[in-house]
Amino acid sequence: DGGITQSPKYLFRKEGQNVTLSCEQNLNHDAMYWYRQDPGQGLRLIYYSQIVNDFQKGDIAEGYSVSREKKESFPLTVTSAQKNPTAFYLCASSSSGDSNQPQHFGDGTRLSIL
Amino acid sequence: QKEVEQNSGPLSVPEGAIASLNCTYSDRGSQSFFWYRQYSGKSPELIMFIYSNGDKEDGRFTAQLNKASQYVSLLIRDSQPSDSATYLCAVRGNNRKLIWGLGTSLAVNP
Repeated sequence: DGGITQSPKYLFRKEGQNVTLSCEQNLNHDAMYWYRQDPGQGLRLIYYSQIVNDFQKGDIAEGYSVSREKKESFPLTVTSAQKNPTAFYLCASSSSGDSNQPQHFGDGTRLSIL
Repeated sequence: QKEVEQNSGPLSVPEGAIASLNCTYSDRGSQSFFWYRQYSGKSPELIMFIYSNGDKEDGRFTAQLNKASQYVSLLIRDSQPSDSATYLCAVRGNNRKLIWGLGTSLAVNP
């Protein structure tokens, strides 16, 4: 079954801790994205990658980091510099970042502060 | 700042009725338009996308695009309680960036 897998489903972060959210896709998509969703707010783009070994900051990249070493994987690290990390994190992919192709989402990871 | 606006709702319709969801956008150069459905606590799910002026139908769903008036609509015919969700409109502008609306909450009452 082709799709996007995010793990874990729930994650708790302690003060001063970095945590990494996993996102894997087997759709052979070139482009991958990380969004954050807070109650009452729209989806906000954190980082995106149009091709392996390349990624760009989105609208709210501060306090986050990513890597794209493999086509199918785009992990997001929430660093201790992100002071308000509690949110629903969504990973998406599309066949190409330059085309008009739609983005498809994983099931999301809910991150909370302990 | 490019914007996508949706009425937050809730939009309440009886079962079997047509639900009409609207979205307006500010970037006149926008090229592609997407509708997603998001159930409470779940991730967005793509329903439809449309690129050209006019209507596009898929089952009970119809997307309508009017670039001159800068709006895109989603019609849901024969609405079912299972259609109760938040519907997100997303618009890709001239700069290829995807701009998201805040969503319209739809409640279909049995």
